Formats: sequence, structure tokens, C-alpha cells
Amino acid sequence: DQQVKQNSPSLSVQEGRISILNCDYTNSMFDYFLWYKKYPAEGPTFLISISSIKDKNEDGRFTVFLNKSAKHLSLHIVPSQPGDSAVYFCAAWATGTASKLTFGTGTRLQVTL
Amino acid sequence: DTAVSQTPKYLVTQMGNDKSIKCEQNLGHDTMYWYKQDSKKFLKIMFSYNNKELIINETVPNRFSPKSPDKAHLNLHINSLELGDSAVYFCAAGMGTGAIQYFGAGTRLSVL
Repeated sequence: DQQVKQNSPSLSVQEGRISILNCDYTNSMFDYFLWYKKYPAEGPTFLISISSIKDKNEDGRFTVFLNKSAKHLSLHIVPSQPGDSAVYFCAAWATGTASKLTFGTGTRLQVTL
Repeated sequence: DTAVSQTPKYLVTQMGNDKSIKCEQNLGHDTMYWYKQDSKKFLKIMFSYNNKELIINETVPNRFSPKSPDKAHLNLHINSLELGDSAVYFCAAGMGTGAIQYFGAGTRLSVL
């Protein structure tokens, strides 16, 4: 039962263009969403997050959009740079005593020159 | 100065052996986690500890035993290793519920 899904396993974008990574979730109890970036042989690194009371959060080149009614969030990277090439994981929390971070399966982003 | 460090980075061992993976964090966070990333790259939580107390234990075989000697350390001991235990194991630390988690670089375990 995969509660967080990233349906695109890979994405290729030209340098300077916009990268849009998508994530869908099924659990309506999720109230906090995060994006992590992962390079090979390294651990996931936190990128940006959004609370369910917001629909947008921006940090430099990275913006996360949340559509609660559609249970969908997306990460926009503008402009994309070669150093952005990595695997991006979407993750979600449901606040509670024993809450846990549920991850999607990741999208591999390749930014080409 | 690494915030969350795991050792060893690579571990190759035979079926049936017992092995441990160590994790230390210098962030001062009160919650630590173990995750497993399987061959399909799916990251799944195994355990979480808050101030040395077990909070989450996700249907993990009891061959896996986490031990938290103090708030800064969470070690993972695995008994009677099986082929299916081959995976990358990540340790993480955070300030509890809803907080950002910081991950170690991972330990790639190969069981032959």
C-alpha cells in the first residue's frame, strides 16, 4: 500500500529550463510534506517543505505547490542547473505520537547542457 | 564535521552472520531513525527512538534489534543475516514529530 507515489521514475530537462517533479498521496491525514534530494552514495538531503495549511512555499530556485483537494504536490526548479541532477524524493508526515515519514519511490532528474 | 555519521559505509558478509551498524548524530536532536532502501529504491522506516525510547517498530523481523545507549547514538544489530537483508540502511535524526530529518550517508549491506 503505497501512500506516496511519484509516477515518473525519471525526467530529463535542459539547463536553464523549468523542472517539474510531481507527487501524489492517498492518506488525507498527511499534514506536512517534504522534498529530499539524493546524490549517489549519499544520504537524502532536505530541500524544501510545506505545511498542509499552505498551498505554496518558495526557497530560491525551488518552489513547492500543494493541491490538497487533488492530493497532489509538485516541486518546481527554475532555472534548472546541472548540479540539480539527482534523485528527488517526496515525503509526507501525519502528525501524531508515533508519526513517521512516508517516502515516494523517487524521480531521477537529469539536467542536460 | 558530519551531522549524522554511520559506520561502516560498506558491509559484505555471509548468510547467517551477525553484524552491527553504528550511527551517531551531533545535532542535539531527540529522535533518531533507521530506514531501509531496498533494491527498488524504496525508502522505508524501520525504527525510531525518542530520547532512548522506542517509538516506532515497523513490522521488522526480530533479528533486527536497535540499541540506543544515549540520545546521540542509535545502533542497529542484525542477527542471522539473510540474502533479503541486502540493502542500503540509512540512519536519520530529527527534532521529533513533523520535523525535518537529517540523514547519514548510508551503509550498503551485501549478504552473500
